[in-house]
This record gives sequence, structure tokens and C-alpha cells, in this order.
Amino acid sequence: DVKVTQSSRYLVKRTGEKVFLECVQDMDHENMFWYRQDPGLGLRLIYFSYDVKMKEKGDIPEGYSVSREKKERFSLILESASTNQTSMYLCASSLNRASGNTGELFFGEGSRLTVL
Amino acid sequence: QKEVEQDPGPLSVPEGAIVSLNCTYSNSAFQYFMWYRQYSRKGPELLMYTYSSGNKEDGRFTAQVDKSSKYISLFIRDSQPSDSATYLCAMADNTDKLIFGTGTRLQVFP
Repeated sequence: DVKVTQSSRYLVKRTGEKVFLECVQDMDHENMFWYRQDPGLGLRLIYFSYDVKMKEKGDIPEGYSVSREKKERFSLILESASTNQTSMYLCASSLNRASGNTGELFFGEGSRLTVL
Repeated sequence: QKEVEQDPGPLSVPEGAIVSLNCTYSNSAFQYFMWYRQYSRKGPELLMYTYSSGNKEDGRFTAQVDKSSKYISLFIRDSQPSDSATYLCAMADNTDKLIFGTGTRLQVFP
């Protein structure tokens, strides 16, 4: 069974703290993504990666950074957490569509972050 | 204008009803269309996938794509309480990035 695992389901942090969200996939997917999901705004892409050590900004990268040192792992970093980063964070992975795949995203269960 | 527009609902229907969920989009380059289902406190899961225009049926679910109108639909026949979830449309051009609608929350009551 395909699996995307996010390290923490629920986190509570204080303003200014550094936050790491970890994501691991076991499907040998090239692509990995970080989204945040907020009521009324849907899923918004923060960063994505097409390969190891490669990253591209999504629609809302401000205040976030990412790291992809290994193919299976994609980390989201909040250097200095702020209250407006309170949200549900979803990691996803997919095969490269250029190889003839559908590009279906496989999602993790989500990490709900609260910044106080 | 958002690239993808989706009515957030909520939509509340009795068990057995036919449900129609819709999205409109503005980017004519979109050619991959998907519907995801997301249960409360879970990640989204792919429900239906369609390439380009046309219909696709899978059990009680039918996905329709009308590229000329930039409009996609998901129909659920004989809806069940277990169908209660948020339904997200998603679409892509020839890249690997999916653009999502905001999701429609559906509740099917017994």
C-alpha cells in the first residue's frame, strides 16, 4: 500500500519558535509537495520538489523553507513561527507525469499546527 | 479571479439522493482533471481522474469534463451517509502541479 507519512499530527508552538515538519514517502516518487489548507481558501501550494536537492516556490512560500536531502524525505521549515501560520499542513507525493503517469497526488494525514 | 472556482457548500442531502458537485476554471491549458475526497481529519484521496474532455464512470460516481465551457462535474448516485466528506476538484496543465478548488462539504443524512 502506498504511504506518505507525516511525523506529527498535532503541534503547538509559540511565536518565534523554529518548526520542522517532516514527510516521508515509500513509493519512490520523484515529486513531493507541501500544501497548507485553510477554511475557505482550500489547498495552497507552499513549495514543491521534482528531485533531490531541488526545490521550487509555490504560491505562498513566504515564511517557509524546505529541504530535500533524500528522495523519500521532504521537510518543511518555519524559521520563526507566527500566528498566521496556524493551519493544517499537507504533504503529498507523485510520479512524474512526463513518464506517462497520471500525476495523481498521494497525501499524508496532515499536520495541524497551532502557533500561540 | 481564481484559476479554479468551487462552491464551498455545505450541501446537505438525504440518503439516496443524486448529488452534483461542480467546478469552473479559467486556464484553457488545463487537461488533467481530478476529484479528491477528504474525510474529516484525514488527507485527500483520489476519487476520479479524467484526461481532457468526456465522461468517466466508476460505480456510483461519474465525472464529466466540458472543456469548451471550462466546467467539470462530479455526480454521486444513490448517495450514502459514508459519502459525507469534503470534495475537492483539482486540475493541471502539462506540469506536475495540481491546482485545487476550495472544496465542497457534503453531508448525506439517513
